Amino acid sequence: GNSVTQMEGPVTLSEEAFLTINCTYTATGYPSLFWYVQYPGEGLQLLLKATKADDKGSNKGFEATYRKETTSFHLEKGSVQVSDSAVYFCALSATGNQFYFGTGTSLTVIP
Amino acid sequence: EPEVTQTPSHQVTQMGQEVILRCVPISNHLYFYWYRQILGQKVEFLVSFYNNEISEKSEIFDDQFSVERPDGSNFTLKIRSTKLEDSAMYFCASRQVIISGAFFGQGTRLTVV
Repeated sequence: GNSVTQMEGPVTLSEEAFLTINCTYTATGYPSLFWYVQYPGEGLQLLLKATKADDKGSNKGFEATYRKETTSFHLEKGSVQVSDSAVYFCALSATGNQFYFGTGTSLTVIP
Repeated sequence: EPEVTQTPSHQVTQMGQEVILRCVPISNHLYFYWYRQILGQKVEFLVSFYNNEISEKSEIFDDQFSVERPDGSNFTLKIRSTKLEDSAMYFCASRQVIISGAFFGQGTRLTVV
């Protein structure tokens, strides 16, 4: 079946620290992979995506590379800001068209 | 920038009452979804809709739930007889093609009392 496993949170970092949030997946077929971000009290915003192996998605300084050999799609950012504090969800879309979400990782960045 | 809009933003209803949650997807999108998120928990799939019919649904989406796209622009979720455990944030989403990301609305917070 299809599923996403995300790194447990919460994660607390100092401003300008390096961020990694781990995500691994199980899927039938060839999934597309996504990262969504949810700011407090808001909906889910698409942060970045990758649709095939070795693709790198990037947006707002965040990056993730689709690694088929390790079935991973880890989210990284070189220097986090206070404004990056949010919950981050890894997701996949495979056969069929629904999205499968991870449990979310809460990030708090302190000045 | 086009966006998915949901109304109302917050609805309080009594147990056993019917509620309709409304969504206006992005106009050239073809796939539509409802998800829900119980406070602080996982985002759960309810149903997907394509070509004017349900394409997938989860176990949560039982006979109490229905969806409709009545006029080519709105996409609604109806819960016929609400239960306390239906209290959650409900998100509508749409996407253009199967490999694109889905765009989510801001959600409707449903509180069943």
